Amino acid sequence: DMKVTQMPRYLIKRMGENVLLECGQDMSHETMYWYRQDPGLGLQLIYISYDVDSNSEGDIPKGYRVSRKKREHFSLILDSAKTNQTSVYFCASSQGQNYAEQFFGPGTRLTVL
Amino acid sequence: GEQVEQLPSILRVQEGSSASINCSYEDSASNYFPWYKQEPGENPKLIIDIRSNMERKQIQELIVLLDKKAKRFSLHITDTQPGDSAMYFCAAHTEGADRLTFGKGTQLIIQP
Repeated sequence: DMKVTQMPRYLIKRMGENVLLECGQDMSHETMYWYRQDPGLGLQLIYISYDVDSNSEGDIPKGYRVSRKKREHFSLILDSAKTNQTSVYFCASSQGQNYAEQFFGPGTRLTVL
Repeated sequence: GEQVEQLPSILRVQEGSSASINCSYEDSASNYFPWYKQEPGENPKLIIDIRSNMERKQIQELIVLLDKKAKRFSLHITDTQPGDSAMYFCAAHTEGADRLTFGKGTQLIIQP
């Protein structure tokens, strides 16, 4: 069963706290992504990972970092979260980047107070 | 990088009528154009896509048109049903790039 999972699904943090969002996939996909979705702004790419320890900045990487130590697992880290990082975060995976369908996880709704 | 504009941002249509969503892109090297549907509280899912070597593609009630000269592509949903109510995103992939560029989305509302 092809699936992308995300944990946690909901998270409330205080400004300045650290945040760890986790993503897993069971399709052995090489490429994984982190997006954030805000009303009126669509899906904005934060980071892309081509494989283990091979990551690249997306369009809005400031304030975020990522870790990929296993092909099936991709983490998004917010060091000292800010209120403007309140958003819904989606992880996705694909087999390569060309003509490849992206499979999205269920999302994590993060609120930073 | 590539820019994708998507219009309208909100679209209301009567059940049974057709709905059209339009997207435009800037980079003539873009060669792949997928459409994703996101139902409320759910994740985006691919519903149809078209490559640059095609002008038209249809899957059941979904039709995608691509005009490479004008750098425009569009999604048409015929005979809309309540289950078509959702957010729709167009996207473009540029040859040699490592990512999709998404439009900002269209909220489609099917009215009874």
